[in-house]
Amino acid sequence: ELQLVESGGGLVQPGGSLRLSCAASGFTFSSYWMSWVRQAPGKGLEWVAKLKQDGSEKYYVDSVKGRFTISRDNAKNSLYLQMNSLRAEDTAVYYCARDTYSYGYQWFDPWGQGTLVTVSS
Amino acid sequence: DIQMTQSPSSLFASVGDRVTITCRASQSISDYLNWYQQKPGKAPKLLIYAASSFQSGVPSRFSGSRSGTDFTLTISSLQPEDFATYYCQQSYSTSVWTFGQGTKVEIK
Repeated sequence: ELQLVESGGGLVQPGGSLRLSCAASGFTFSSYWMSWVRQAPGKGLEWVAKLKQDGSEKYYVDSVKGRFTISRDNAKNSLYLQMNSLRAEDTAVYYCARDTYSYGYQWFDPWGQGTLVTVSS
Repeated sequence: DIQMTQSPSSLFASVGDRVTITCRASQSISDYLNWYQQKPGKAPKLLIYAASSFQSGVPSRFSGSRSGTDFTLTISSLQPEDFATYYCQQSYSTSVWTFGQGTKVEIK
């Protein structure tokens, strides 16, 4: 069974840091791009970052550039998101998702269950 | 960046109704468009990819189509389990993925 399990969320003060983890199972993790997608309370989905299979290419949404870093450890089948200089507007459920590609098309499947990050004093 | 505009933002419908949700791209994205369903407290679930291809296990009452930069998700006969929020997502850009703002389908 394909599975993604996030962890590491919690309450952090503005300006603080947090590291999210995503453990993958049921597929060959090292063969896929991976992404983080977030959802602020009561709001829509926002793609945050993505990372190539070997870690050589990374892309971010403008609002997190210079503050967030996506990384992976293929030996541990794990994806990470290091979040620094956190702001109140970063408060959201953060989902880990597999970038699935076929014939040049991309989509997100599967998704993890999400981990909540709350930035507040 | 490519902007995706969904309409309506919410709608009220009854079981058995035909429901149509539209997503418009700010530029041509060919058919690089996906649809997801999200229920409260749950992760999104892929319904349709490449504008009109069904994800395995998705009921046949869901369908997707494209006309230029306008994309449509249609539910032919709304079922109780279909009350949820639906999102479109473009996968044309090679660097940045973007979602529509979502359409909430509620019970009339």
